[in-house]
Amino acid sequence: EIVMTQSPLSLPVTPGEPASISCRSSQSLRRPEGYNSLDWYLQKPGQSPQLLIYLGSYRASGVPDRFSGSGSGTDYTLEISRVEAEDVGVYFCMQSLQTPWTFGQGTKVEIK
Amino acid sequence: EVQLVESGGNLVQPGGSLRLSCAASGFTFSAYWMSWVRQAPGKGLEWVANLRQDANEKYYVNSVKGRFTISRDNAKNSLYLQMTSLRAEDTAVYYCARLHWGLGVSGFDYWGQGSLVTVSS
Repeated sequence: EIVMTQSPLSLPVTPGEPASISCRSSQSLRRPEGYNSLDWYLQKPGQSPQLLIYLGSYRASGVPDRFSGSGSGTDYTLEISRVEAEDVGVYFCMQSLQTPWTFGQGTKVEIK
Repeated sequence: EVQLVESGGNLVQPGGSLRLSCAASGFTFSAYWMSWVRQAPGKGLEWVANLRQDANEKYYVNSVKGRFTISRDNAKNSLYLQMTSLRAEDTAVYYCARLHWGLGVSGFDYWGQGSLVTVSS
């Protein structure tokens, strides 16, 4: 089973400032075709998760461009260029390279 | 508008059974892999199962293999999760999710609101 490790687990942020979350996998998530099987989700308080980034760096439909994903192999990063109040919630990374698909523990983002 | 609406969650005793349903609308249900993901109270997300469009390929997390069965009825635009031999650790909100397939597996792009399953005596 691929283990996903996120850091930090808690992230106080200031509106207008950048923020960054790291996700590390226990083995490479890079596919032979060159894509990375890593997605990012945000679960806002009281809501279902929503897809932010897929294949490591592709923004999902309707996701603001202040969100970006990068990385390859075993190390990935979600960046928010300028945090807004609506970005609070828990962020999860997930690998879909091999079953069982596994999620990181989650990073709780809250406003300072 | 894509909608996924789960139902069937309830309080059930350990060892009991329950069937969750997910009604899909707003897209061609038969064209998509579908999945179940769960979240124990106050905890993170756990992938449970995937099912191919024609239902001929399915995958499960080890902890539910032999106890849970994922299925679908494309004529009724519905996804199901039959759960048997339920344990306390199966207590969770169960989400139905659509699997996006762009350049390959590309994440769960739509989620239902979730259905709460509580296993307790």
